[in-house]
Amino acid sequence: QVQLQESGPGLVEPSGTLSLTCSVSGGSVTNNYWYGWVRQSPGKGLEWIGDLNHAGTTNYNPPLKSRVTLSVDKSKNQFSLKLTSVTAADTAVYYCASSTGWYKIDHWGQGTLVTVSS
Amino acid sequence: QSALTQPPSASGSPGQSVTISCAGTSSDIGHYNYVSWYQQHPDKAPKLMIFEVTKRPSGVPDRFSGSKSGNTASLTISGLQAEDEADYYCSSYGGGNDPYVFGTGTKVTVL
Repeated sequence: QVQLQESGPGLVEPSGTLSLTCSVSGGSVTNNYWYGWVRQSPGKGLEWIGDLNHAGTTNYNPPLKSRVTLSVDKSKNQFSLKLTSVTAADTAVYYCASSTGWYKIDHWGQGTLVTVSS
Repeated sequence: QSALTQPPSASGSPGQSVTISCAGTSSDIGHYNYVSWYQQHPDKAPKLMIFEVTKRPSGVPDRFSGSKSGNTASLTISGLQAEDEADYYCSSYGGGNDPYVFGTGTKVTVL
């Protein structure tokens, strides 16, 4: 059973870069899964950010595409999210997630709250 | 791609059934059989309950069932139990640039 755990700063200044890492256990980032990120603004719904596979193929949500970079570190069995030029609107709980395919998210991290504020 | 439309709330007494709708378009729900449903308890991560419209992951009770008609998908919870009280989100494949289009969410209350 794949388990995911997010880590990173809980506070980011406006115009800065949000950086989060997801550690994978019970599986490998080199398998045929897709690994990605979903966020949820306080009291709001879910928003898909993007995903990638072990070969480095990436998909990004079009409204966020210009600000998002996803990467994978096979040596550490981790994958990461960078979101640039953040504003208060980027304040949310960020979940890392994995999919075995067919556009369903099988596993979720516990989520981490990132607040954008000075 | 706009969010899928769900009713804000739904409710039922223990043992009853409740059905949640998820309205999309001919570009997402109406075109693909990749509709999923997620259950989210307060301050918890979402959990996959239904995928590919009607399939249940291992461990999900058969009280949960999914269906689709045209551009609208539905989740039915039969024999409602207290632990089913949660938020439910639908999701559909929306094409190459939108693998995941989520619904607006429905809060299910067990009376």
